[in-house]
Amino acid sequence: AAGVIQSPRHLIKEKRETATLKCYPIPRHDTVYWYQQGPGQDPQFLISFYEKMQSDKGSIPDRFSAQQFSDYHSELNMSSLELGDSALYFCASSFSGRADTQYFGPGTRLTVL
Amino acid sequence: KQEVTQIPAALSVPEGENLVLNCSFTDSAIYNLQWFRQDPGKGLTSLLLIQSSQREQTSGRLNASLDKSSGRSTLYIAASQPGDSATYLCAVPNHRSTASKLTFGTGTRLQVTL
Repeated sequence: AAGVIQSPRHLIKEKRETATLKCYPIPRHDTVYWYQQGPGQDPQFLISFYEKMQSDKGSIPDRFSAQQFSDYHSELNMSSLELGDSALYFCASSFSGRADTQYFGPGTRLTVL
Repeated sequence: KQEVTQIPAALSVPEGENLVLNCSFTDSAIYNLQWFRQDPGKGLTSLLLIQSSQREQTSGRLNASLDKSSGRSTLYIAASQPGDSATYLCAVPNHRSTASKLTFGTGTRLQVTL
């Protein structure tokens, strides 16, 4: 079965650079979520989109922005990167009519040097 | 604000033992509860989802129960195997909307030894 696809899987950036993470949800899923997981921590919610509209917002820094496109894929844009942004970034998707089970992608490991 | 805790934080058992992982949440007005497995440095694999109207869900050797009134869920793993070694996380959505964020528990790191 198709799963959530994230790219790239690994990313190394310098401080103050910009990064773009991409997420391709499971086919027919209309909802996308982004989470950040620091070392040894549980995942923290950043932002979600339903039918291309922002639905919920967590502790996402102003330096970050995201959107969901017409084909339902989503991109997380991160600017002015800081050392503390180094983390695993997960994307999850769900189908609005299917009891809200969230299926997670493999994650993008971002390292900021 | 919903808070989710898991006990124990770490657990080591010999192969073949049955075990129980615990999850507690402070706000009992939940829509559902989801259990995940995470291998080190890897993504989250959904194991079971229990709707608020259900008492338990089963998948293979896994059985999850939910007691909303007491704010607790348990994940029972039967006949544990070394391949079950991972971190187990429970998570609850914050409200009933379609795109509700999940609040995760602190996780239980399980090691099953030979």
